[in-house]
Amino acid sequence: QVQLVESGGGVVQPGRSLRLSCAAAGFTFRSYGIHWVRQAPGKGLEWVAVVSHNGGNNHYADSVKGRFTISRDNSKNTLYLDMNSLRVEDTAVYYCAKDGGGMRYFFDYCGQGTLVTVSS
Amino acid sequence: QSALTQPASVSGSPGQSIIISCTGTSSDVGGYNYVSWYQQHPSKAPKLMIYDVTNRPSGVSDRFSGSKSGNTASLTISGLQAEDEADYYCSSYTSTTTLVIFGAGTKLTVL
Repeated sequence: QVQLVESGGGVVQPGRSLRLSCAAAGFTFRSYGIHWVRQAPGKGLEWVAVVSHNGGNNHYADSVKGRFTISRDNSKNTLYLDMNSLRVEDTAVYYCAKDGGGMRYFFDYCGQGTLVTVSS
Repeated sequence: QSALTQPASVSGSPGQSIIISCTGTSSDVGGYNYVSWYQQHPSKAPKLMIYDVTNRPSGVSDRFSGSKSGNTASLTISGLQAEDEADYYCSSYTSTTTLVIFGAGTKLTVL
C-alpha cells in the first residue's frame, strides 16, 4: 500500500535552515506530483509547495516563496523540502502528500508528518 | 489569499445528517471543479473523503457526499456515527499565485 514517511524535523533557531525528506513506497513515485502541507499547532492546514512528477515544475505558497525549495529524486523515491531563513511562524507539522493524479491538487495519501519547531 | 470560509463547528446526533459549507470565490471554488474534503482526527494525518467536488475515494463510506453551487461547496454526512467526530477541511485549486487554499476547518461533534 502507499506509504509516505517524513523525516528531518526538529528544533531550529530563527534564521537557520533545515531539510525535510519524505520516503515514498507502494506506488509509481515518478508518475505523480507530490506536495508539502503544514499545520501549525492547534491550527488548520496550509498548502506549502508542489513538485511535478519529473521535478520540472514547482509552485510555492506566497508565505514560503523565496525561502523554501521543493525537489525530488525519482531514483530514490524521495521528496525534499529545503527550508531557509526559518521564522517562528514556520513552526508546524509538515506532511508530504501524494497528488491524486493529473495535478488536480487533491491529496489522496498523506504521511504522518514531521514536527518543525522554530524557536530561539 | 484568504482561506475558504467554513463554520467553526457543527453538531448532530447519531443517525442524523449534517452539512458543512465551504464558501470561496470565482477564483477558486466557483471557477473549478477541484474541491476536496479531508477528515482529520486528533494527532492524525488528514484523510481524503471527497475529491473533484463529488467523487468519493474507494474505501470511503457512501454516507459522505459532496456538492457545489456557485461559490459554495458542501459536504454532507448522513447517518452520523460516533467515529465521524473529527475536524473537516475543504480545499480548492485557486487561480491566484498560491495554487491551493484550505478552509479554516470545521469541528464536528456527534452528540
